[in-house]
Amino acid sequence: GAGVSQSPSNKVTEKGKDVELRCDPISGHTALYWYRQSLGQGLEFLIYFQGNSAPDKSGLPSDRFSAERTGGSVSTLTIQRTQQEDSAVYLCASSLGGSGGAFFGQGTRLTVV
Amino acid sequence: RKEVEQDPGPFNVPEGATVAFNCTYSNSASQSFFWYRQDCRKEPKLLMSVYSSGNEDGRFTAQLNRASQYISLLIRDSKLSDSATYLCVVRERGSTLGRLYFGRGTQLTVWP
Repeated sequence: GAGVSQSPSNKVTEKGKDVELRCDPISGHTALYWYRQSLGQGLEFLIYFQGNSAPDKSGLPSDRFSAERTGGSVSTLTIQRTQQEDSAVYLCASSLGGSGGAFFGQGTRLTVV
Repeated sequence: RKEVEQDPGPFNVPEGATVAFNCTYSNSASQSFFWYRQDCRKEPKLLMSVYSSGNEDGRFTAQLNRASQYISLLIRDSKLSDSATYLCVVRERGSTLGRLYFGRGTQLTVWP
C-alpha cells in the first residue's frame, strides 16, 4: 500500500484477554518501529526491527508484551493478559533502512475495560 | 537524563508571527535529525529532516548545531493550520542501529 497500515483501528478488550495488533509497513521499508502513546503524553518506545531481527526491544514494558516480524514485512505486537494500564494508542512506523525519516500508521486505539 | 529535551510550551502566537522551537539531545554520536508535527489525536507526520548546513522548506527553517547538540525549527508567517505539537526526533548510531528518540513535543497554537 501507499502508507503504513495498522489494524484494527480500534480495539476494546476485557482485562486479562490477549490482543494482537498488526502493522503492515510501506513496501521496501526494512526498519519498523512500535511506539505507544497515552492521552496527552509523549511517544513511548516499545521495539525496533531491522529486517526480521529486533536489535532493540528495551522498551517492552513487561514480559506480557512481545512482537515479531516475518518476511521483513508485516509485524504483530501481542499483549497477553491485558491490564487497564495497557490502554493507549499503539503506533507503528517504518523507514527505508536505518537512516531516513519514519512514516507512521494511524495507530490502534486499545481500550482495556 | 532524557535523550531529547524540548520546551513543552505552550506557545501561543498570532497569525503572521515568527516562532522558534529548540531541542537538545544528549548523545553526541547521534546520526540523523528530524522534526515531526502531531495534530490532536492523530499520528505524528514527518515535517522535515535537519541537516548540518541548515535547510528550508517554504516557511520552515531547520538548523542543527552538532557542537552544541542543539536543533531548532523556525516557522515564519504562522498560519492557523500550523497549530500542532512539534516533535524533535534524533536517530543514534551504535548498537541500536537506527532507533528513533522522540522529544515530548512543543505545543503551538496560532490564533487569528
